[in-house]
Amino acid sequence: AQKVTQAQTEISVVEKEDVTLDCVYETRDTTYYLFWYKQPPSGELVFLIRRNSFDEQNEISGRYSWNFQKSTSSFNFTITASQVVDSAVYFCALDDSNNAGNMLTFGGGTRLMVKP
Amino acid sequence: DAGVTQSPTHLIKTRGQQVTLRCSPKSGHDTVSWYQQALGQGPQFIFQYYEEEERQRGNFPDRFSGHQFPNYSSELNVNALLLGDSALYLCASSLWERGVQETQYFGPGTRLLVL
Repeated sequence: AQKVTQAQTEISVVEKEDVTLDCVYETRDTTYYLFWYKQPPSGELVFLIRRNSFDEQNEISGRYSWNFQKSTSSFNFTITASQVVDSAVYFCALDDSNNAGNMLTFGGGTRLMVKP
Repeated sequence: DAGVTQSPTHLIKTRGQQVTLRCSPKSGHDTVSWYQQALGQGPQFIFQYYEEEERQRGNFPDRFSGHQFPNYSSELNVNALLLGDSALYLCASSLWERGVQETQYFGPGTRLLVL
C-alpha cells in the first residue's frame, strides 16, 4: 500500500536560514506523481509542485527547490533564505492511482516556523 | 478566474445529526474530490466524483456520501454524526484530460465541529 512519511513534525528557523523538509514515500507502482502543498493558518492547501516518476530532474522556482531521488524514494523540499511568510504546514503527497481516478495520499505534514 | 469555493466555512452540529457540505470547482475543472483533515494530521481521501458518479472511494463508512451535479459542483453528506467526524473538510477540483488526472486544487475548507 502507498505511504508517505514526513519525519519532521516541526522545524523552527530564523529568517534567512535555509531549510529542508524531508519526504519519503512507498509505492509498488512505477508510474506515480509526487506533490508538495503548503497550508497556511487559513487552512487552504496551496499547490507548490507536481513531479512524475519518470522525471528525476531537480526543480528550482525562486527560493524553492525540490530534490527527487527514486533510489531512496525521497522528494525533499528546500527553502532558501527563509522568510516569515514561509511559516506554514507543508505536506508531501503521492498519487499512484494510475488513471483509475486519482487519490492523494498525504504525509503527516511538517510545521515550519520562521522567526524574524 | 474563481478558484475552488466551499460553503459553509464553519458548522456546528450535535451527535446523530446530518450535515451537507458544498463545493464549486475551479472554472474548467470536471472532477471533485473530498478530503477529511483531523486536527494535526494530513488530509485523508474520502471519495472522488467525475461525470456525476463516484469514481474512487477511500476508507470511509457509508455514512459519508456525495453527489456531483451537471455543473460539476458537488455535495458531501454525512449522516449520524459522531464526535470523531469533527474535522476540516477539504474539496479539491481537477481536470481529467487525455486519460490523465491533472493537479488537484483545494478550496478553503469547511470546519465541522460535532458536539
